[in-house]
Amino acid sequence: AQSVTQLDSQVPVFEEAPVELRCNYSSSVSVYLFWYVQYPNQGLQLLLKYLSGSTLVKGINGFEAEFNKSQTSFHLRKPSVHISDTAEYFCAVSNSGNTGKLIFGQGTTLQVKP
Amino acid sequence: GAVVSQHPSRVICKSGTSVKIECRSLDFQATTMFWYRQFPKKSLMLMATSNEGSKATYEQGVEKDKFLINHASLTLSTLTVTSAHPEDSSFYICSARDGFSGLYGYTFGSGTRLTVV
Repeated sequence: AQSVTQLDSQVPVFEEAPVELRCNYSSSVSVYLFWYVQYPNQGLQLLLKYLSGSTLVKGINGFEAEFNKSQTSFHLRKPSVHISDTAEYFCAVSNSGNTGKLIFGQGTTLQVKP
Repeated sequence: GAVVSQHPSRVICKSGTSVKIECRSLDFQATTMFWYRQFPKKSLMLMATSNEGSKATYEQGVEKDKFLINHASLTLSTLTVTSAHPEDSSFYICSARDGFSGLYGYTFGSGTRLTVV
């Protein structure tokens, strides 16, 4: 069975500082990995995804993530955050099977302080 | 890009009544749709997976008779919460997957806040 663990429930950071949101996954098969952002009372917006190829994935809003197979990690990073980045961030994994279910981590609240 | 429209965005209903939530893919054919439930300050819990024209597959612990899912066309899936009770109050989110184009992606609706009083 697949699972995703987001190691930090809350990450406070000052504006313009760098940030890393950690994500580790568990799977016995090939995986696809995703990061989503959720603003209050809204659905999820895709930040980036890893399907194959280059392990460094660049997404929207200046975010990037690196797939590390040996460490089973897919950490999200941004070199300089803005107040508007304050939101809930979810890491998710999907297998390459027929159903392609998306399994989410517990979420990390990013709080950007002025 | 792919867009999924979810309605209503908010609904308040009386205990014992049923509520239907619609999820439409506007510019692609959604071969598979997923329904999630999200509790306050919690992650998304997958409730069920539906493929067009076939019965939904429910996750363990989800009552299929309470949460009726219909995926009658490639652009529409509905979730009906039957005989709703206050404990069914939650944020429900649908997601659609395009299985035809080869793009392996999931597009999410904007969610429905259900309050049962």
